[in-house]
Amino acid sequence: GQQVMQIPQYQHVQEGEDFTTYCNSSTTLSNIQWYKQRPGGHPVFLIQLVKSGEVKKQKRLTFQFGEAKKNSSLHITATQTTDVGTYFCARLSGGYSTLTFGKGTMLLVSP
Amino acid sequence: NAGVTQTPKFRILKIGQSMTLQCAQDMNHNYMYWYRQDPGMGLKLIYYSVGAGITDKGEVPNGYNVSRSTTEDFPLRLELAAPSQTSVYFCASSSSRSGGTDTQYFGPGTRLTVL
Repeated sequence: GQQVMQIPQYQHVQEGEDFTTYCNSSTTLSNIQWYKQRPGGHPVFLIQLVKSGEVKKQKRLTFQFGEAKKNSSLHITATQTTDVGTYFCARLSGGYSTLTFGKGTMLLVSP
Repeated sequence: NAGVTQTPKFRILKIGQSMTLQCAQDMNHNYMYWYRQDPGMGLKLIYYSVGAGITDKGEVPNGYNVSRSTTEDFPLRLELAAPSQTSVYFCASSSSRSGGTDTQYFGPGTRLTVL
């Protein structure tokens, strides 16, 4: 299937620092979804982006969809220990029936 | 609503044994999915279903079987367990007619070890 590449694979920050993870595709995306998985937990839906250049905010989290709809980013301002986890992006596949997930970016936040 | 439930939470199997991982949802969702998650590898789709009586293969279906006799239940069967099937298994569901465009709700997972 068509993959989405996430970078970085892992990032360790001090509490209060910012964090950004990127999701890249070689082909145009119909939409992009972001999920968060806490250690030992299950993925939880964060947001879906559909429009070219779209920017959505959820408190300290900012999600962007690129103008060419080939990339997306998640930015966290002033990280907190509660932000620890793995962040996945996912793209449509299987004729709009399924999602293909990236490998995720693991975020560790030290107090 | 309980959402998506999975049983068991943990299981250890011997090579060659079989088992069924149970998944149920009470949200009346049409779409249901089975994923496996290996360390550092993200989620890989095993099988999915767009409604009762309809199933289709995902990216990694070999060694697994599914059935969907009701809207609520979507069990995953391992017939001859192999060490390569050691993983965490997640079931998910979504409501849209185009399942990939809608939020997927995940169950808590089953951690399976094959020795």
